[in-house]
Amino acid sequence: QLQMQESGPGLVKPSETLSLTCTVSGGSISSSSYFWGWIRQPPGKGLEWIGSIYYSGSTYYNPSLKSRVTISVDTSKNQFSLKLTSVTAADTAVYYCARVGNQIYYDILTGHNKVGRRFDPWGQGTLVTVSS
Amino acid sequence: SYVLTQPPSLSLAPGESARFTCGGNNIGTKSVHWYQRKPGQAPVLVIYYDSDRPSGIPERFSASNSGNTATLTISSVEAGDEADYYCQVWDSSTDLGVVFGGGTKLTVL
Repeated sequence: QLQMQESGPGLVKPSETLSLTCTVSGGSISSSSYFWGWIRQPPGKGLEWIGSIYYSGSTYYNPSLKSRVTISVDTSKNQFSLKLTSVTAADTAVYYCARVGNQIYYDILTGHNKVGRRFDPWGQGTLVTVSS
Repeated sequence: SYVLTQPPSLSLAPGESARFTCGGNNIGTKSVHWYQRKPGQAPVLVIYYDSDRPSGIPERFSASNSGNTATLTISSVEAGDEADYYCQVWDSSTDLGVVFGGGTKLTVL
């Protein structure tokens, strides 16, 4: 059974760089069927997608965070990582990593091709607080 | 950018049927996924590809997607269903990519 585990500092100072790693166990990060993603949830707010990466290194980022985000992958360690620069208190959140399914399928009911990118499973999440 | 709209809250008594809506422009043309997040726990996928249930998710959970609204239904809610429910799509029409709804908090009275 695939499992995801986030790790990294729980406290980061303003203007510094937040760095987290997600370790994947029970499966290979080099699978061609999946992306790997980061999502966060600020206290009292909803889920926000940060970005996703393919094992080849191709990345997709949330445009609102793109200038500050770098996601990388280390297939030899079965890990992928997140770096978020110039953090502020607004970056305080629970950060989750997750596997991202990637399938294009034909929906008979609507007659449309659909892109199915679902997050499953998720890591337990790690709280990162930005404070001096 | 693409926006998914969910009512912020829903309160029901045990045994009642819960209906969560997720509104978006032509959402029926997109693949919708639903997540359940209980306090202190990671989100769990409960519906994918509009209406498919992952293994281990009870049959009480069902969903549909058409037009401008996707709907998640929990028949006969239980106390253990109390959680936040989020819808999510991939928006290929813009650069945004993954979009989450704001979530609906289910309270079981």
